[in-house]
Amino acid sequence: QVQLQESGPGLVKSSQTLSLTCTVSGGSISSGSFSWSWIRQPAGKGLEWIGRFYINGRNNYNPSLKSRVTIFVDTSKNQFSLKLTSVTAADTAVYFCARERMAYLERYFDLWGRGTLVAVSS
Amino acid sequence: QSVLTQPPSASGTPGQRVTISCSGHRSNIGSNFVYWYHQLPGTAPKVLIYRNNQRPSGVPDRFSGSRSGTSASLAISGLRSEDEADYYCASWDDSLSGWVFGGGTKLTVL
Repeated sequence: QVQLQESGPGLVKSSQTLSLTCTVSGGSISSGSFSWSWIRQPAGKGLEWIGRFYINGRNNYNPSLKSRVTIFVDTSKNQFSLKLTSVTAADTAVYFCARERMAYLERYFDLWGRGTLVAVSS
Repeated sequence: QSVLTQPPSASGTPGQRVTISCSGHRSNIGSNFVYWYHQLPGTAPKVLIYRNNQRPSGVPDRFSGSRSGTSASLAISGLRSEDEADYYCASWDDSLSGWVFGGGTKLTVL
């Protein structure tokens, strides 16, 4: 059974870089049937898609975050990672990693990590 | 400010039918499929509806989705206490080349 697990610091100082890793277990991150996304949720608020890595295509990023975001993959470790630079308090949120099915008629996030809370301190 | 617009709250009594709306634009709902997720407190979202009105295996047929133009709706019939959760609509946006979500609707079962 495939599982996703986020890891990384729970506290980041303002203006510094937020770095998170999602480890995929029970399946290969190199499968062309899926892409791998980061999604975040500030406390009490809605979901915001950050971006994704797709091994058969190019990365896509939320335009509102694109200048600060990088998502990259380490296939040898079956992990994908998020780097978000120049963070502010507005970046405080629960960060989820998620798997997206890439079949045309069945594209949706079918597997999620449990989420990890990242707080930005001043 | 979310790209897709949902009412912040909805409510119903057990056994009732409730609907949650989702309004978007030509670049998202008007051109692409709509998806619905629900989220219990402290947990990750789970997909309820994909491709406007399809249910993944394991999702009860009490849940149904529809799309018309640039709007969509989720209907829940035979409301149960365990349906109390946050519900989010989502769609791909061609202009943004990315996924967009609604702000979420908190469903309360009275």
